Amino acid sequence: GENVEQHPSTLSVQEGDSAVIKCTYSDSASNYFPWYKQELGKRPQLIIDIRSNVGEKKDQRIAVTLNKTAKHFSLHITETQPEDSAVYFCAARYTDKLIFGTGTRLQVFP
Amino acid sequence: DSGVTQTPKHLITATGQRVTLRCSPRSGDLSVYWYQQSLDQGLQFLIQYYNGEERAKGNILERFSAQQFPDLHSELNLSSLELGDSALYFCASSASPPGQGSSYTFGSGTRLTVV
Repeated sequence: GENVEQHPSTLSVQEGDSAVIKCTYSDSASNYFPWYKQELGKRPQLIIDIRSNVGEKKDQRIAVTLNKTAKHFSLHITETQPEDSAVYFCAARYTDKLIFGTGTRLQVFP
Repeated sequence: DSGVTQTPKHLITATGQRVTLRCSPRSGDLSVYWYQQSLDQGLQFLIQYYNGEERAKGNILERFSAQQFPDLHSELNLSSLELGDSALYFCASSASPPGQGSSYTFGSGTRLTVV
């Protein structure tokens, strides 16, 4: 079925450390994988995305990797800052829609 | 401002009532998606419209319905409301036709509280 699993559900790191969030999808036909950041009480905002013809993509301190064979993709945040604290959602495209993971609450402690 | 406009921002209503949530997509976007986010939960896909036509349905209750109008704005109708319907309802829009992956832009959401 249409399913995206996301781990961990919560993640606490010290400022300056790296954070990694992992997601697994079920449909090998999925070809688009965005990541969204949602701050408390606000709308989800796209931070980075990757398509299935690319294995890795970077944008400053964030990067996403995709392993099509294993059907999983990961978000990497380096040199974390307190303003990175938020809930992060991965998603995978299934036919006409995005199915979201259950979210990871990231807390960055100064 | 994301360009996706949702009204109202907050709605408090009693059980058994009916409400309508409204969404105007970004200029030029033909696809509209509705998601439900309950407290501390993920984003549950409800329904998608493309250029006025329903294209995909998720776990949307029979008490819920939606439509997209010729001017591309969309409305989500929730009826016979129950306490468990209390949630944030997000609308998102996308420029891509169905079947072509592209990012969504989310509106600020409507917070529905059923008392």
